[in-house]
Amino acid sequence: GENVEQHPSTLSVQEGDSAVIKCTYSDSASNYFPWYKQELGKRPQLIIDIRSNVGEKKDQRIAVTLNKTAKHFSLHITETQPEDSAVYFCAASGYNQGGKLIFGQGTELSVKP
Amino acid sequence: NAGVTQTPKFRVLKTGQSMTLLCAQDMNHEYMYWYRQDPGMGLRLIHYSVGEGTTAKGEVPDGYNVSRLKKQNFLLGLESAAPSQTSVYFCASSFRQSTGELFFGEGSRLTVL
Repeated sequence: GENVEQHPSTLSVQEGDSAVIKCTYSDSASNYFPWYKQELGKRPQLIIDIRSNVGEKKDQRIAVTLNKTAKHFSLHITETQPEDSAVYFCAASGYNQGGKLIFGQGTELSVKP
Repeated sequence: NAGVTQTPKFRVLKTGQSMTLLCAQDMNHEYMYWYRQDPGMGLRLIHYSVGEGTTAKGEVPDGYNVSRLKKQNFLLGLESAAPSQTSVYFCASSFRQSTGELFFGEGSRLTVL
C-alpha cells in the first residue's frame, strides 16, 4: 500500500521568511496530493492540492510542487505570518487505491513575530 | 448545514469497556472515513466506506469495527477498549473518491484507562 513520509517534523521560521515542507510517497500509481492545515485544537482543513498531470500549483502565498519521477512533492509558504503557525499534513491517494487517502506524519510550523 | 458532526466529543473508558462513536454528515457524501491522530504519527486511516452498506479496512483496523447502515451515518465501535486506543478520532467525508476534498468533523478525544 501507499506510504507517505513527511519532513521536517517541526519547523520554526521568522515572520516574513519562507517555509518549505517536503513529502515522499511510495506508490507510483498515486495521482492526487493534497495538503491540510490543522490549527491547535481544530479540525484539519484543505489548503491546496495538486494532481499528477500538473507540476506546480500556486494560491497566493502558498504553492505546491510535484516531481512524479522522484515521487516527492513539497509545500512552499512565502512571506510567513503568525497565523500560518499550525500543523501541516501532506497526503496521497489514487483511483486504484480504493478511496484511501494516506497522510504523512505532519509538520508543526511555528512562525515567530 | 452542520457539515460533519461527531458524538461524543470526549469520553473516558476503562480497559475492556465498549463504546461507539457516531459520525453524521448532511452533505450527501458517498465516502466516509475514520482516522485516528496520535502525536508524531499523523492521521492514520482506521476504516472507510465508499457507500451505504459498504466498509473497508484502512491502515490500522485492528480492535475497531464500523457500520454504514445509512448514507449519512458512519459508526466506529470499540468492542473491548485498550489503553493503546487512547487517541483523538476524526471522522471525514468526501464527495469524490480518492481525489476529493475531505471534510472533517471536530474530533472525539478518547482516553482509555
